[in-house]
Amino acid sequence: SAVISQKPSRDICQRGTSLTIQCQVDSQVTMMFWYRQQPGQSLTLIATANQGSEATYESGFVIDKFPISRPNLTFSTLTVSNMSPEDSSIYLCSVERGQAFYGYTFGSGTRLTVV
Amino acid sequence: DAKTTQPPSMDCAEGRAANLPCNHSTISGNEYVYWYRQIHSQGPQYIIHGLKNNETNEMASLIITEDRKSSTLILPHATLRDTAVYYCIVRVEDSNYQLIWGAGTKLIIKP
Repeated sequence: SAVISQKPSRDICQRGTSLTIQCQVDSQVTMMFWYRQQPGQSLTLIATANQGSEATYESGFVIDKFPISRPNLTFSTLTVSNMSPEDSSIYLCSVERGQAFYGYTFGSGTRLTVV
Repeated sequence: DAKTTQPPSMDCAEGRAANLPCNHSTISGNEYVYWYRQIHSQGPQYIIHGLKNNETNEMASLIITEDRKSSTLILPHATLRDTAVYYCIVRVEDSNYQLIWGAGTKLIIKP
């Protein structure tokens, strides 16, 4: 299955600033997924990113706040814009494991703290 | 809302089999059951999945009831490193294969 490199692994940021998280996959994948995991909570899907098209955002998430780039089949970025302490979470990228029925592989996550 | 229900926490003695239950009474005929786990401070890790037959791999076994309304993940010989949150998920067919994550079961393996 695919191997994902996600960085940074953690960061502490000032409110009002932005952070860009990178996700690199060792093989070409059609769809990449970005999740948020708030402290003590389960995972929530932010958006699905397909190469060559606009990302599809889930309810409650907007492009202005979480712009996503997908320049090729192995790379994606998620930006958390104009951060507030409520954005403090773990952000995870994910890709299909090989075939759609075989589940997903996740990156190790980016632990973001906004102060 | 998550389509599965799991107990919030369970304990298991090291070396014993850990049996984690999951209810998915509204599962559709073409929806798979997936199990993932998340060890503290790491990304979720795929464990196993199944449709209606029991499945086994190097990590675990998955037992799905005949009516498919519930399943059990079995870790045959639990170790301390199996302490994690275990998520049972039903895959939604019509939403870019989105996974709906519930709260999971916090499994604590005790020496």
